[in-house]
Amino acid sequence: GAVVSQHPSRVICKSGTSVKIECRSLDFQATTMFWYRQFPKQSLMLMATSNEGSKATYEQGVEKDKFLINHASLTLSTLTVTSAHPEDSSFYICSVLKGGQSYEQYFGPGTRLTVT
Amino acid sequence: AQSVTQLGSHVSVSEGALVLLRCNYSSSVPPYLFWYVQYPNQGLQLLLKYTSAATLVKGINGFEAEFKKSETSFHLTKPSAHMSDAAEYFCAVYSSASKIIFGSGTRLSIRP
Repeated sequence: GAVVSQHPSRVICKSGTSVKIECRSLDFQATTMFWYRQFPKQSLMLMATSNEGSKATYEQGVEKDKFLINHASLTLSTLTVTSAHPEDSSFYICSVLKGGQSYEQYFGPGTRLTVT
Repeated sequence: AQSVTQLGSHVSVSEGALVLLRCNYSSSVPPYLFWYVQYPNQGLQLLLKYTSAATLVKGINGFEAEFKKSETSFHLTKPSAHMSDAAEYFCAVYSSASKIIFGSGTRLSIRP
């Protein structure tokens, strides 16, 4: 069964509004989760590392005030795209780090965001 | 810094034919390498991983990959393609910064 869930799977919003995407670890507690974005026909690019109970670590070039990450519990991390614009339209995928082997990541099914 | 390069953005093979997807890596330390598969509008599923044990790694769905240090390669193969193998495949390396770095991806098409 699924290890990681994301909600919603698809969302369409108007330019200027904010959208929240949830990532849940279903099978285990996760102190670390990752957020990726994937443009059409492109690879996954890491946006940020989400750490439970502390501030997320953002990759270079990712605006932390635009992409708000909250990891308030060991099973839930949220990504909020604030004041979304059409160029934010993308496929957002989260992953959950399992266990002591930090390369063991389990990926969610993704969220398709379309900003009109 | 670690990186991977996937050769060929699109590979097309006939059903029943050999599948070969190429990946070369760059790493100053022994790498951990992965192959993931992504079906349309879905997340990623781990096919197999190399973590410095056996150089020939067997994964799910009949796929395998061989780590060749002399060639800095980690090519993915499957002896006989099925229609259900049509998907996007990503080679990836675990970086020293505790992150997974993905290649650009290879779209595999299967001809009937």
